Amino acid sequence: DQQVKQNSPSLSVQEGRISILNCDYTNSMFDYFLWYKKYPAEGPTFLISISSIKDKNEDGRFTVFLNKSAKHLSLHIVPSQPGDSAVYFCAASDGFQKLVFGTGTRLLVSP
Amino acid sequence: GAVVSQHPSWVICKSGTSVKIECRSLDFQATTMFWYRQFPKQSLMLMATSNEGSKATYEQGVEKDKFLINHASLTLSTLTVTSAHPEDSSFYICSAHPRTSGSSYEQYFGPGTRLTVT
Repeated sequence: DQQVKQNSPSLSVQEGRISILNCDYTNSMFDYFLWYKKYPAEGPTFLISISSIKDKNEDGRFTVFLNKSAKHLSLHIVPSQPGDSAVYFCAASDGFQKLVFGTGTRLLVSP
Repeated sequence: GAVVSQHPSWVICKSGTSVKIECRSLDFQATTMFWYRQFPKQSLMLMATSNEGSKATYEQGVEKDKFLINHASLTLSTLTVTSAHPEDSSFYICSAHPRTSGSSYEQYFGPGTRLTVT
């Protein structure tokens, strides 16, 4: 039972354009959402998060949008850079520290 | 800051043997450490949560007698895969929650350990 889903396994974007990564969840008890970036042979690194009481959180080039009614969140990267090429995981928590991860989306930003 | 290391990064063992994986928080103390497992093209699945000085809490479906977790200090947790079988071959990742963190969601991840059981 996959409670957090990232339906796009890969995404290709040109440098300078916007990258939009999507994530859907099924558990209405989730109240905190996070995005992680992962390079090969490294552990995930935290990017940005959002609480369920907000619908948007912005940090530099990264913005996360949350649509609770649709149980959907998205990560926008503007402008995309080649160094952003990595696997992106969304994760969700119901408030007890444990994180439930999606399957990841591989982003490729070409020059 | 907030670096987590894992050792070894890659290990091959024979079926039936045991393998120990170490997870260390290098520059902070961690009250809680988490162990995840990732199969190819799948998500990170939480296996267990360990708190320093107490027994680990295992997720449903994870055999506690097969995956032994010890969190003996605030900077070290170990995962021992006992009597390993080929189906245990996977990528094991740990994460650590800083003792001084103001957020319950803050976790720093290690680089992972690739286990191959032949």
